Amino acid sequence: QKEVEQNSGPLSVPEGAIASLNCTYSDRGSQSFFWYRQYSGKSPELIMFIYSNGDKEDGRFTAQLNKASQYVSLLIRDSQPSDSATYLCAVRYNFGNEKLTFGTGTRLTIIP
Amino acid sequence: ETGVTQSPTHLIKTRGQQVTLRCSSQSGHNTVSWYQQALGQGPQFIFQYYREEENGRGNFPPRFSGLQFPNYSSELNVNALELDDSALYLCASVDRATVGTEAFFGQGTRLTVV
Repeated sequence: QKEVEQNSGPLSVPEGAIASLNCTYSDRGSQSFFWYRQYSGKSPELIMFIYSNGDKEDGRFTAQLNKASQYVSLLIRDSQPSDSATYLCAVRYNFGNEKLTFGTGTRLTIIP
Repeated sequence: ETGVTQSPTHLIKTRGQQVTLRCSSQSGHNTVSWYQQALGQGPQFIFQYYREEENGRGNFPPRFSGLQFPNYSSELNVNALELDDSALYLCASVDRATVGTEAFFGQGTRLTVV
């Protein structure tokens, strides 16, 4: 069973601090990794994807991938109240199959 | 704005009824995937369509079926609705010609079965 695991939270972070979200996956053959943000009642919004080991930065967001340890993380710098949402980690196992396997999500609350 | 549109946005159906949900993919994206997201859960893969054929299916019964049209738009049909089918149904489109392409979701259809 290919699984993606996330801490369900809730994770509370003071405004302006760094929020760190983690995700582990079971299949070593996994190729691509995605972070989505989902506000209550809305559909998931893609924040970033990463498929090479190391860090990928986009504005206040940094995705980190470590395939040897089978984890991927998302750092949010200078957290804002608008970052309060559920963050979903998703894994695609190969480029020929676009199926995404999602974790259950981590609820993040930014405290003003 | 992803360019993926779904209709309707909300729907209420009675147990045992049938429902059709629709998805228009982003321009140039030839693959459409459908997901079911129950409350408090991550999206679960239902199936994927590529060039009008089913190309992968998750752990969903046959009463979940779909179609893809030549313009890459897609339908999800659910027969004999059950209360547990109440969920947010998401459509995602992908451009398979682009390695590492992102998956863009539409705004979703909220289905309530009563």
